[in-house]
Amino acid sequence: EDQVTQSPEALRLQEGESSSLNCSYTVSGLRGLFWYRQDPGKGPEFLFTLYSAGEEKEKERLKATLTKKESFLHITAPKPEDSATYLCAVQANQAGTALIFGKGTTLSVSS
Amino acid sequence: KAGVTQTPRYLIKTRGQQVTLSCSPISGHRSVSWYQQTPGQGLQFLFEYFSETQRNKGNFPGRFSGRQFSNSRSEMNVSTLELGDSALYLCASSLGQGFLETQYFGPGTRLLVL
Repeated sequence: EDQVTQSPEALRLQEGESSSLNCSYTVSGLRGLFWYRQDPGKGPEFLFTLYSAGEEKEKERLKATLTKKESFLHITAPKPEDSATYLCAVQANQAGTALIFGKGTTLSVSS
Repeated sequence: KAGVTQTPRYLIKTRGQQVTLSCSPISGHRSVSWYQQTPGQGLQFLFEYFSETQRNKGNFPGRFSGRQFSNSRSEMNVSTLELGDSALYLCASSLGQGFLETQYFGPGTRLLVL
C-alpha cells in the first residue's frame, strides 16, 4: 500500500534557527513528490515538485531535496511568517494522478 | 488570475441530509480533483474529473459523488450524511490531466454534520 510519513508532527523553532522536515514514502513507482504549505483556515499552497532522486529546488528560505526513499524540506533562518503546516504528497503509478498526502508537520517560529 | 473558488465556505447539516458543494477552477484549467481533510486522516483523495468524465476515484463509499460541467466547474454531492462526514472539503484544479500537473487548491468548504 502506498504510504507517506512525515516527521516530526510538530516543530518549534526560534527565529533564525534552521532545521529540516522529513517526508518518507513507500510507493509503487514514484511519479513525483510535492510540497505544500497550509495556513489555518486555508487550502494548501503549492511550493515544489520534485521528479527524481538527487533533485533539489529552492524558494526563498526553503530548499527541498529528494532521495529514493525520502524528501527533506530545509528551512534556513526561518521567520515567524514561515509558521504553517507543511504537507508532503506523492503521485504513484497505482494511484494515478491522485495525490497521496502525509499528515503534515506543523511548524511554529517564534521571534 | 483568480484562484480556485469554492462555495459555500461553511455549511451545517444534520445526519441523513444531503449536501452539494461547488468548485470553480482557475480559468483555463480542465481537471478538478476533490479531497477530504480531517484531523485524524489528513487529506484523502475523493475523485478527479477531466473533460466532464470521472478519471480516478478514491476509496470512499458511493454516497460521495461528483460531476463536472462543460465549463470545467465541478460539484460534489454527499447523500445520507453521517457524523463522520464532518470535514474540510478541498477542491484542486490543474491545467491538464497528466502526472506531475500541479494541483492548485481552493480555500475549502467546511462541513459540520450534527
